[in-house]
Amino acid sequence: EVQLLESGGGLVQPGESLRLSCAASGFTFRRNAMSWVRQAPGKGLEWVSGISGSGGTTYHADSVRGRFTISRDTSKNTLYLQMNSLRVEDTAVYYCAKAGGAAALDHDFDYWGQGTLVIVSS
Amino acid sequence: SYELTQPPSVSVSPGQTASITCSGDKLGDNVCWYQQKPGQSPVLVIHQDTKRPSGIPERFSGSNSGKTATLTISGTQAMDEADYYCQARDSSTVVFGGGTKLTVL
Repeated sequence: EVQLLESGGGLVQPGESLRLSCAASGFTFRRNAMSWVRQAPGKGLEWVSGISGSGGTTYHADSVRGRFTISRDTSKNTLYLQMNSLRVEDTAVYYCAKAGGAAALDHDFDYWGQGTLVIVSS
Repeated sequence: SYELTQPPSVSVSPGQTASITCSGDKLGDNVCWYQQKPGQSPVLVIHQDTKRPSGIPERFSGSNSGKTATLTISGTQAMDEADYYCQARDSSTVVFGGGTKLTVL
């Protein structure tokens, strides 16, 4: 059974950093691209970042490029999102999602985690 | 920037057919649709324009004309009441539509 378990969310002040983790199990981790998707309170879904199965290719949304970095550790079956220079508008539930294919922009997200809440507030 | 446009809300009576549209300048050939119920993570209901993942009821179907994709729910049930999001990609990003709240009344 595929499972994705996010962790690392919390309350931080503007300008601070946070690292989210997503522990994956139930599938061959290196074979599938992964993405982070966020959802601000009461709002819609927003794709944040994607990474290829090999980890060699990454993409980020314009809204986070230069501040957020997606990475993965195949030895630990874990996906990460390093978030720097956090802003109030980054407040959201952050989901990790597994794609059906291996390319970084493969976007048929067939499994999602339960999400971790990040609140950026002074 | 690439945008996908959905109607904010759609209403349907139980047993009737609901259609939710998604418009974009270049939808490509791999539009996905997700269902999200309150307090839950999204669920993939359609991928590659028309394909249903395992476990998704046959009443869910999708189509794509190139600039407009449509999610159709035939014989809509009360359990189908949820937010629905379309999704596509371009050369360097993945984009979600703004979402459509489907009300079954």
